Amino acid sequence: DGGITQSPKYLFRKEGQNVTLSCEQNLNHDAMYWYRQDPGQGLRLIYYSQIVNDFQKGDIAEGYSVSREKKESFPLTVTSAQKNPTAFYLCASSDGGQGYEQYFGPGTRLTVT
Amino acid sequence: QKEVEQNSGPLSVPEGAIASLNCTYSDRVSQSFFWYRQYSGKSPELIMSIYSNGDKEDGRFTAQLNKASQYVSLLIRDSQPSDSATYLCAVLILTGGGNKLTFGTGTQLKVEL
Repeated sequence: DGGITQSPKYLFRKEGQNVTLSCEQNLNHDAMYWYRQDPGQGLRLIYYSQIVNDFQKGDIAEGYSVSREKKESFPLTVTSAQKNPTAFYLCASSDGGQGYEQYFGPGTRLTVT
Repeated sequence: QKEVEQNSGPLSVPEGAIASLNCTYSDRVSQSFFWYRQYSGKSPELIMSIYSNGDKEDGRFTAQLNKASQYVSLLIRDSQPSDSATYLCAVLILTGGGNKLTFGTGTQLKVEL
């Protein structure tokens, strides 16, 4: 089955700890994206990558880091510098076709206390 | 002004009726427009994409685009309780650093028996 997987589904961490969220796709898509979703605020772009070994900051990159060493994988690290890390994190990918349609993974719900 | 605006709802329609969801956007050069459906606690699912002025139909869904008025809509015919969800409008923004989707905050649709 082709698709995007994110793990884990739920993640709990203490304040001050870094945490890495996994995103893997087997769709052979070049572009990958990370969003966070908070109630009433829609989806906000954290980082995106159009090609392996290259990535750009999105609208809310502060306190986050990413890597893109393989086409299939785009992990997101939430660092202790992120002031409000509790959120629903969504990974998406796109093949850059006509409209750059993006397809989402199931998401990871992170709670930091 | 927000880049993509939607009425947050909730929009309530009786079963079998037509649901009409609306979205306006501010970037005149946007070329690609998308509608996502998001059930509570789940990730967004792409249901329609539209790139040129006019209507595009897919089953019970019709997307309508008017670039002159910077307006895109989604009609759902014969609404079913299973259509109850939040519908996100997304607009593709072309930038020097890549192509990004900007999302509205979503309209909650409730289909009542």
